[in-house]
Order: sequence, then structure tokens, then C-alpha cells
Amino acid sequence: TQLLEQSPQFLSIQEGENLTVYCNSSSVFSSLQWYRQEPGEGPVLLVTVVTGGEVKKLKRLTFQFGDARKDSSLHITAAQPGDTGLYLCGGGSNYKLTFGKGTLLTVNP
Amino acid sequence: DSGVTQTPKHLITATGQRVTLRCSPRSGDLSVYWYQQSLDQGLQFLIQYYNGEERAKGNILERFSAQQFPDLHSELNLSSLELGDSALYFCASSPPTGGSSYTGELFFGEGSRLTVL
Repeated sequence: TQLLEQSPQFLSIQEGENLTVYCNSSSVFSSLQWYRQEPGEGPVLLVTVVTGGEVKKLKRLTFQFGDARKDSSLHITAAQPGDTGLYLCGGGSNYKLTFGKGTLLTVNP
Repeated sequence: DSGVTQTPKHLITATGQRVTLRCSPRSGDLSVYWYQQSLDQGLQFLIQYYNGEERAKGNILERFSAQQFPDLHSELNLSSLELGDSALYFCASSPPTGGSSYTGELFFGEGSRLTVL
């Protein structure tokens, strides 16, 4: 069974702060995706990374895929209240997308 | 709006009962995925169908079954319900990826919240 562990589980910060959340596994994935989920809604894709060592930027969000394709990080610069939500990483392999339990981020104004 | 439709949005039933959750994927998407989300287990993959055929199976209980119909909509059947089956059930669809095992973007519905009393 492929497991993805996300840390921290909960994070509460003030507007304007920077933060990094992590997604780690002992398994190799063909791709890794980050989703954000808001209350009452389904997860929405933020980014997909495929190549080991790949870095992608989406405005204030920076995503990195580990060289061995087993781990990933999400860095948010100058967090805003609109960034509040559950951040999920999902590892893709053999037609399945396996998710971690997520990091619940709260950005206080 | 992701384009994926799930019904019902909320469902309350008793232990031992059977329910059916329905999902209509986005137009053009051939793959349908079912996930169960609970506070303690997170988002758990149950099963995936591609163009009517089962393609991948996750931690789906024997009391649960699913199918994808020729019009590509899918149903998840949950039977002999237990208190622990209370959860959010999500359906997601994804566009064709040319037969590769790579998983493309998943578009999730808003979920069906099941409460078993």
C-alpha cells in the first residue's frame, strides 16, 4: 500500500507570513498533484509535477517534486486569508491517485 | 462548477440499510473515480472505472460495489451500512490520458454526505 504523509496536519498563521507544507512517501510516484479543498466542496487541482526535481510556481505558491519522486513540498509566500483551506497531495501510480490526509491551513487577517 | 454532478447531496439512513450514490462525469471524460473522505482516514481511494471497465481498486469494502454504465455515469452501492460508513463520498472524473498509467487532473463533484444512524 502506498502511503503519503503530510505535515503539519494543522497550521494557523497570520496574513503575510510564509509557510511550507510537506508530502512524504516511501514509494515512487509517476506524478504528484496538489489540490486545495474548501468546506462543502470537492478538491480542486493546483498543480501536477511529473519530473524529479521539478519546481513549479503558481503566483505566490511554489511546488517542488523531490529528485527521487517520493516527496514534495508546497511553499506559500505572504499568505492571505483566501489561501485558507485543506491542502492535499496525491501520488499517481497505476491509474490510481492516492492522497495524504492533508494540511488544514488557516490564515488569519 | 467542476462539471461533475453527484446526487444526492445529503443522505441519512439507518444501520443495515442500502443506498446508491450517483455520479455524472464531465462531458468527454471516460474515467470515474470514487473516494471516501472522513476526518480520521482522509480521502481514501475506493475504485476507478474507465469507459465502463474497472481499472483500479483501492480500499473498497466487500459491502460496497460500483459500476459505470454505457452513458458513462456511475453508481456506488453501499449495503449493510454501519455507523462507520458515515462519510463524504466523492466522485471525480478525468479526461483520457492516451492509455498511460499517468493520472491526469481529477475534477471532483461536490460530494454526497452520508450519515448512518
